[in-house]
Amino acid sequence: DIVMTQGALPNPVPSGESASITCQSSKSLLHSNGKTYLNWYLQRPGQSPHLLIYWMSTRASGVSDRFSGSGSGTDFTLKISSVEAEDVGVYYCQQFLEYPLTFGSGTKLEIK
Amino acid sequence: EVQLVESGGGLVQPGSSLKVSCVASGFTFSSYVIHWFRQAPENGIEWLAYITSDSANTHYAETVRGRFTISRDNAKNTVDMQLSSLRSEDTAMYFCARESSGVGFDYWGQGVMVTVSS
Repeated sequence: DIVMTQGALPNPVPSGESASITCQSSKSLLHSNGKTYLNWYLQRPGQSPHLLIYWMSTRASGVSDRFSGSGSGTDFTLKISSVEAEDVGVYYCQQFLEYPLTFGSGTKLEIK
Repeated sequence: EVQLVESGGGLVQPGSSLKVSCVASGFTFSSYVIHWFRQAPENGIEWLAYITSDSANTHYAETVRGRFTISRDNAKNTVDMQLSSLRSEDTAMYFCARESSGVGFDYWGQGVMVTVSS
């Protein structure tokens, strides 16, 4: 199984500052079709997960351009520029390259 | 509006069975692969199973293979998952989600809680 490892944030993050969340996969998520199958989700308190980024760097429909994804085949970053109160929650990376699909353990974002 | 609504959770004893259901609306249900996930209290997200749009293919996580069975009824816009031989470690919130083909999971239900305890 592909293991997804996420980094922590130095919480709380001051409102208006940027925050970067890291994720590492135990296997390259770069497919032969050129796409990197890494997704990012936000789970706000008491809610179900919400898709933010797919194919490592493509924002999902309706997602603020304050969110951006980048990386290589095994190392990934989700950057949130100018964090806001609505960004509070747990962020998960997830690989969509092969089954079983696996998620990182989550990174909690708190705002000051 | 796209909606997925789970139901069927509850408190059950170890070794028993339970069916959780996911009813969809607001989109052409028969065109989408549907997945089930779970999240134990204060834990991360675990993928469990999927079923293709025509029910031709299913796939399960090793942790539930042989105990859980996923099925769907496109006439009723419903995906069910039968949970059998339940263990305490199956205690979790169970979510269904729609797969946007090759992209990810763009719509999720609100979840249904399953508690396995004597």
